[in-house]
Amino acid sequence: AQSVTQLGSHVSVSEGALVLLRCNYSSSVPPYLFWYVQYPNQGLQLLLKYTSAATLVKGINGFEAEFKKSETSFHLTKPSAHMSDAAEYFCAVIPNNAGNMLTFGGGTRLMVKP
Amino acid sequence: NAGVMQNPRHLVRRRGQEARLRCSPMKGHSHVYWYRQLPEEGLKFMVYLQKENIIDESGMPKERFSAEFPKEGPSILRIQQVVRGDSAAYFCASSPGELYEQYFGPGTRLTVT
Repeated sequence: AQSVTQLGSHVSVSEGALVLLRCNYSSSVPPYLFWYVQYPNQGLQLLLKYTSAATLVKGINGFEAEFKKSETSFHLTKPSAHMSDAAEYFCAVIPNNAGNMLTFGGGTRLMVKP
Repeated sequence: NAGVMQNPRHLVRRRGQEARLRCSPMKGHSHVYWYRQLPEEGLKFMVYLQKENIIDESGMPKERFSAEFPKEGPSILRIQQVVRGDSAAYFCASSPGELYEQYFGPGTRLTVT
């Protein structure tokens, strides 16, 4: 079964510092990959998606992610953290060969220090 | 264009009662998904529906839970005889087709007392 691993359930950065949130998937066939953000007591908002076009995907709010097949990774980055980026981030996949449901990683809570 | 709408946002039920959660997908979206977010367990898929059809219910508990997406009206997730372990946030998502990104509603937070 497809699985998604997010390394680090909590990540803390200073305002203005680089944000790096890690995501690895398990699949011999590259799946469709997504990053979502969840603010407290709200639903999930789509940040970006990878669907086998460009390997570097740009999303909203200055985030981007790079698909690396050799590493089965899809890490999320942002060059300069802002206080408003503090939230929980979820990596998710839809397997390329079966089903249409999202399988989520465990989530990473991003904290931004002033 | 309104997003995915869910109601109620908060629902309190006593053990043994029924809970009905509603979801209206985005305009033009015919695919609806339900996910559950339990503390310490993350987000899990429950069921995938298209109009009048259940496509995949592999994530639904075998008993007490049911879902529908009628020809007219919202999708309904129904939980009969709720227990404390059903307390969670339930999210609905919609998409215009298969393998498209899914857009999420704000969720219904169910508390069972």
